[in-house]
Amino acid sequence: NAGVTQTPKFRVLKTGQSMTLLCAQDMNHEYMYWYRQDPGMGLRLIHYSVGEGTTAKGEVPDGYNVSRLKKQNFLLGLESAAPSQTSVYFCASNTWGRQETQYFGPGTRLLVL
Amino acid sequence: KQEVTQIPAALSVPEGENLVLNCSFTDSAIYNLQWFRQDPGKGLTSLLLIQSSQREQTSGRLNASLDKSSGRSTLYIAASQPGDSATYLCAVMGARGSARQLTFGSGTQLTVLP
Repeated sequence: NAGVTQTPKFRVLKTGQSMTLLCAQDMNHEYMYWYRQDPGMGLRLIHYSVGEGTTAKGEVPDGYNVSRLKKQNFLLGLESAAPSQTSVYFCASNTWGRQETQYFGPGTRLLVL
Repeated sequence: KQEVTQIPAALSVPEGENLVLNCSFTDSAIYNLQWFRQDPGKGLTSLLLIQSSQREQTSGRLNASLDKSSGRSTLYIAASQPGDSATYLCAVMGARGSARQLTFGSGTQLTVLP
């Protein structure tokens, strides 16, 4: 049982390049989330999904797209990276219910030059 | 829009001290409040989850309280140890809308000196 995994762990991009971050969970969770964490600002929700084939916008969705084709995977895409997207990206998942905490992946550190 | 504030932003204490971390939130319509721990370069680990109907939760040396009406929570750490050094994040799960979204504070960076 690996929990929540993220690939890659670290990436350097040039402005305008594209990339996809992959999140995978093996806990059969319905809900999945993508956050970004910037110094001094806590975590902010980018996009989330309440089930396979569904996605929705969070607090800071601009410049990102997501897909949830399989229940266990949640992909975050950057079509044209900008320096403002330099951040640490965390994926999380949880199951239905108010008592369930979110389980986080180890993070992906992205640097956009 | 829910806003979560954590005070202080950083705290340094000698080993063995009892300490309190504070969290406040602006919208009392919440399902639960959660405290997480984050070690440098790592993900978040859940410490305690308090349902909106509860007043407190305890786990070992940790005790978290919730006063929903005033929009406040505290995390009490007893007999602090150097291994407690980390950033502690407070998050609330909002009860408005259909999604189970968490709103995070910016964290308190704790250093426990041996």
